[in-house]
Amino acid sequence: DAGVTQSPTHLIKTRGQQVTLRCSPKSGHDTVSWYQQALGQGPQFIFQYYEEEERQRGNFPDRFSGHQFPNYSSELNVNALLLGDSALYLCASSLAEGVYIQYFGAGTRLSVL
Amino acid sequence: AQSVTQLDSHVSVSEGTPVLLRCNYSSSYSPSLFWYVQHPNKGLQLLLKYTSAATLVKGINGFEAEFKKSETSFHLTKPSAHMSDAAEYFCVVSRYNTDKLIFGTGTRLQVFP
Repeated sequence: DAGVTQSPTHLIKTRGQQVTLRCSPKSGHDTVSWYQQALGQGPQFIFQYYEEEERQRGNFPDRFSGHQFPNYSSELNVNALLLGDSALYLCASSLAEGVYIQYFGAGTRLSVL
Repeated sequence: AQSVTQLDSHVSVSEGTPVLLRCNYSSSYSPSLFWYVQHPNKGLQLLLKYTSAATLVKGINGFEAEFKKSETSFHLTKPSAHMSDAAEYFCVVSRYNTDKLIFGTGTRLQVFP
């Protein structure tokens, strides 16, 4: 049973560019959450998708947007990249009903130069 | 508002000695509390979860945590440390099932032979 998979594992971009990160949830899961983990800090919640709609959003600017597809996979898009966007981006999947545990992928390491 | 405070940024122990990682929480709701572990270049793994059932929660790999409402604490313990326990540990709070996770700043556990 595949867990949460994220792609790519590493990414290097320059300031002002746009980036798309991808996440496939654990089999059977219908909810995807995204987190940003800056170096030396705990992850911070960006947003959560369920039934292809953004259900919750953290304190991140509109440059951060997302999408969930009918197969429950998800994308995180960041526009107009800033140096401060350099971080590990983590995707977590869960079930909306039943025992609520978020399972995390290994993350995408984004470096903005 | 909810938050967690991890009282130690670094903890060092010798192999075979007890581990204590301290966490205090703040929540205006009856919280769900978690401990996650993050090994280098790996995703976050759930160690254990408290959701208002038994106050002493047993997790994987011999870890356990005790929910103390009067002290607003949720400390993580293990009787005997193993070299493989060396990692970053995060205390996490959420308000309810399906809610976003709020992470502490993490405690780095070092285990010496």
